[in-house]
Amino acid sequence: AQRVTQPEKLLSVFKGAPVELKCNYSYSGSPELFWYVQYSRQRLQLLLRHISRESIKGFTADLNKGETSFHLKKPFAQEEDSAMYYCALRRAGGFKTIFGAGTRLFVKA
Amino acid sequence: DADVTQTPRNRITKTGKRIMLECSQTKGHDRMYWYRQDPGLGLRLIYYSFDVKDINKGEISDGYSVSRQAQAKFSLSLESAIPNQTALYFCATSGSSTDTQYFGPGTRLTVL
Repeated sequence: AQRVTQPEKLLSVFKGAPVELKCNYSYSGSPELFWYVQYSRQRLQLLLRHISRESIKGFTADLNKGETSFHLKKPFAQEEDSAMYYCALRRAGGFKTIFGAGTRLFVKA
Repeated sequence: DADVTQTPRNRITKTGKRIMLECSQTKGHDRMYWYRQDPGLGLRLIYYSFDVKDINKGEISDGYSVSRQAQAKFSLSLESAIPNQTALYFCATSGSSTDTQYFGPGTRLTVL
C-alpha cells in the first residue's frame, strides 16, 4: 500500500541551527516525491519536488530509494521557515497524491 | 492572477443540515480535487474530477457528494452533516498528470 510517514508532528529548532524534516514512504513502483508547505494564514503550496533537484528557500531534499526516504533539509533555519510541512507521494505520471500527516516546524529566535 | 478560490471560508452548521462548499478556478485546469485536513492525519482525498464528465471517489468519499458544474467549478456537498465532518476542506487543481497541485485557501467547517 502507498503510504507516507512523517514521524515528527512537531519540530522545534533555534534560528541558525540545521533542520531536517523526515519523510519515509512505502511504494512499490516509481514514485514522485514532493514537499508542500503551509505558512500561517496562507494556502498550501509546493516547496520542491525531487525530479527538479533544486533548492528552494535554502531547502533541499534527496530521494533515497534504498532507505525509501525523502528528508527535507536546511543548513541554517530562519524564523520565516516556521510552517507546516507535508511530504507527498505520487506515482510517476499519475495524478493521485498521497500526503503525510505533516510536521510543524517552529524556529525560535 | 489565475487562482483557486473557495466559498465560504468558514461555516458553522448543525448536525443533519445540508452544506455545499464551492470551489472556482481561473487557471484553466481540467483536474480538480477535494481534500479534508485533520490534525495528525494530513490531507485525505475525498473526490477528484478530470473533466466535467469525469468524477471519481477518493479514499474517504462516504457522506460526501460532488458536482462539476463547469471546467472552472467543483462543488462538495455534505447531504446530512455530522460532527466528525468537522475539518478544514481544501480544493485543488492541476493541469496535467505531471503538474503539481494548486490549492485554494481552505474552508473551515464546524458541525455542531
